[in-house]
Amino acid sequence: DTAVSQTPKYLVTQMGNDKSIKCEQNLGHDTMYWYKQDSKKFLKIMFSYNNKELIINETVPNRFSPKSPDKAHLNLHINSLELGDSAVYFCASSQTGAGANVLTFGAGSRLTVL
Amino acid sequence: DQQVKQNSPSLSVQEGRISILNCDYTNSMFDYFLWYKKYPAEGPTFLISISSIKDKNEDGRFTVFLNKSAKHLSLHIVPSQPGDSAVYFCAASAHGNTPLVFGKGTRLSVIA
Repeated sequence: DTAVSQTPKYLVTQMGNDKSIKCEQNLGHDTMYWYKQDSKKFLKIMFSYNNKELIINETVPNRFSPKSPDKAHLNLHINSLELGDSAVYFCASSQTGAGANVLTFGAGSRLTVL
Repeated sequence: DQQVKQNSPSLSVQEGRISILNCDYTNSMFDYFLWYKKYPAEGPTFLISISSIKDKNEDGRFTVFLNKSAKHLSLHIVPSQPGDSAVYFCAASAHGNTPLVFGKGTRLSVIA
């Protein structure tokens, strides 16, 4: 009964490959996010979707393509992986309205690019 | 251009004493502030928040203080317990509908 679940938890791959990380939330929230925590430990917003619509797209290379098939899912596909993509990627969700700032995070997906 | 700064990467406190974690911000548009706690191999979990219309919010052992003029907030944990050992992230948003901006976190170790 995990609220926000991400798969896979760990991913090791070679440069140039394409990989996907999946995220699902069962909280009934209408907004989902991808955050990246890099080696310097900053948690930075990458994308935000509200009811399947992209509302935030920070300065992220277009090799990163989020897809939201429905408001409970937000997947992240990364093409042509580079060394600098190694990081922990966190999915999160929230509900518009009171408490919109309170995000519920998944456990993270650690991506290592060799 | 760090908008949210947590200048202490780590803090050690004895069990039963007070833990004080500090956070500074630069963006005067921020009006909502949150603290998240993170254990290893888990995602951050929401701990406590404060709106800019308040200067204090308390929830059990956790109290957040906001000093708007100094653009500074702090999280007080008293009494500290070993289970409080975690990384604490300060986060802020503007007008309630912008993405949360996080600090780098402070690792708190509570020593029994």
